[in-house]
Amino acid sequence: DGGITQSPKYLFRKEGQNVTLSCEQNLNHDAMYWYRQDPGQGLRLIYYSQIVNDFQKGDIAEGYSVSREKKESFPLTVTSAQKNPTAFYLCASSGTVTNEKLFFGSGTQLSVL
Amino acid sequence: AQKVTQAQTEISVVEKEDVTLDCVYETRDTTYYLFWYKQPPSGELVFLIRRNSFDEQNEISGRYSWNFQKSTSSFNFTITASQVVDSAVYFCALSGFGYSNASKIIFGSGTRLSIQP
Repeated sequence: DGGITQSPKYLFRKEGQNVTLSCEQNLNHDAMYWYRQDPGQGLRLIYYSQIVNDFQKGDIAEGYSVSREKKESFPLTVTSAQKNPTAFYLCASSGTVTNEKLFFGSGTQLSVL
Repeated sequence: AQKVTQAQTEISVVEKEDVTLDCVYETRDTTYYLFWYKQPPSGELVFLIRRNSFDEQNEISGRYSWNFQKSTSSFNFTITASQVVDSAVYFCALSGFGYSNASKIIFGSGTRLSIQP
């Protein structure tokens, strides 16, 4: 089945540690996105990529980094510079048709130890 | 500036009741798209509907219906004869017209719907 796979489902970060969240898609989509979801809030865009080897900052990119070396993969690193990393992280993808709908992964819950 | 307001934080109804989720939006664009997504307990958001600003016809899909009114900047979502499986968080979203990616999509804060058996 085509879809988006995020791993791990739960992740714990120690003080000063960088952690990487995985996102893989087999939908052959060019565009991929990372969102952060906090309780009672909508989704906020962290980074997005429209094509391999290119990505752009979203609304809350500080303390995060990404790479897009393959079309299928868009990993997100939460760096030690992100002081409030506890949140639910969602990866999404879409085609490049105008205003196309998003397909989402099942998310990663990141918590601080 | 664009904004999406879902004033209902949580709604709880008994199974088989009808329920309406409100969505009010703000935009200066004359053309735009509106979306509804469902987030079940499993976590992933699932697309429900996309509507462009030119089309104010109401839409029905099974037990789901959507009422789009430009005059009041609202795009409300009604579930008829609710079922326990409808329990989820529902997000309304807004996107300016013509974007080839979703970087400009604005999400509301979501409404948590609980259907009691």
